[in-house]
Amino acid sequence: AQSVTQLDSHVSVSEGTPVLLRCNYSSSYSPSLFWYVQHPNKGLQLLLKYTSAATLVKGINGFEAEFKKSETSFHLTKPSAHMSDAAEYFCVVSEGNQFYFGTGTSLTVIP
Amino acid sequence: DGGITQSPKYLFRKEGQNVTLSCEQNLNHDAMYWYRQDPGQGLRLIYYSQIVNDFQKGDIAEGYSVSREKKESFPLTVTSAQKNPTAFYLCASSIGGSLQETQYFGPGTRLLVL
Repeated sequence: AQSVTQLDSHVSVSEGTPVLLRCNYSSSYSPSLFWYVQHPNKGLQLLLKYTSAATLVKGINGFEAEFKKSETSFHLTKPSAHMSDAAEYFCVVSEGNQFYFGTGTSLTVIP
Repeated sequence: DGGITQSPKYLFRKEGQNVTLSCEQNLNHDAMYWYRQDPGQGLRLIYYSQIVNDFQKGDIAEGYSVSREKKESFPLTVTSAQKNPTAFYLCASSIGGSLQETQYFGPGTRLLVL
């Protein structure tokens, strides 16, 4: 069965410190993996996407994620948090004809 | 500018009423999707359409209906059979019909039941 788990429902970091949002997945095949960001009462915006090319994927706004098949993980990182990064982040796995969303991680950035 | 528009931003429904949420895209995308978002549950797929005049049920289609008469439009009707319709509804589209394609999302419609 396919599933995606976001290990933290809420993460707080200080402005200027690194961000780590964790995502683990289960998949029978080689999945496509995505990270989306959602600001309050807005739609989802694609941050980055992995589709079996380079395992380290760079996205918008300084975010990147590393696909680790041995750990079935696709954690999202950013070296230095900015106040505008405060939002909800969703890890998404697609396989076959299904698109699976994690339950989201809310990121708070403390000034 | 190309994009996906959803209207209205907020929608109020009385019990027993059907309401229709609009979703329009001018990206020339073949596929369109409707998701429901509830706090702490991520997004759940209601319906999707990979091509005009065709659509499939997602994980939580009961109490909802859709139509896809035009490529650019994919309206969602929340019927009175949907017992818990209060949620944030997101429409998305993708270039092709494969669900592995990147999906582009509209700004959402928040539905509240009075």
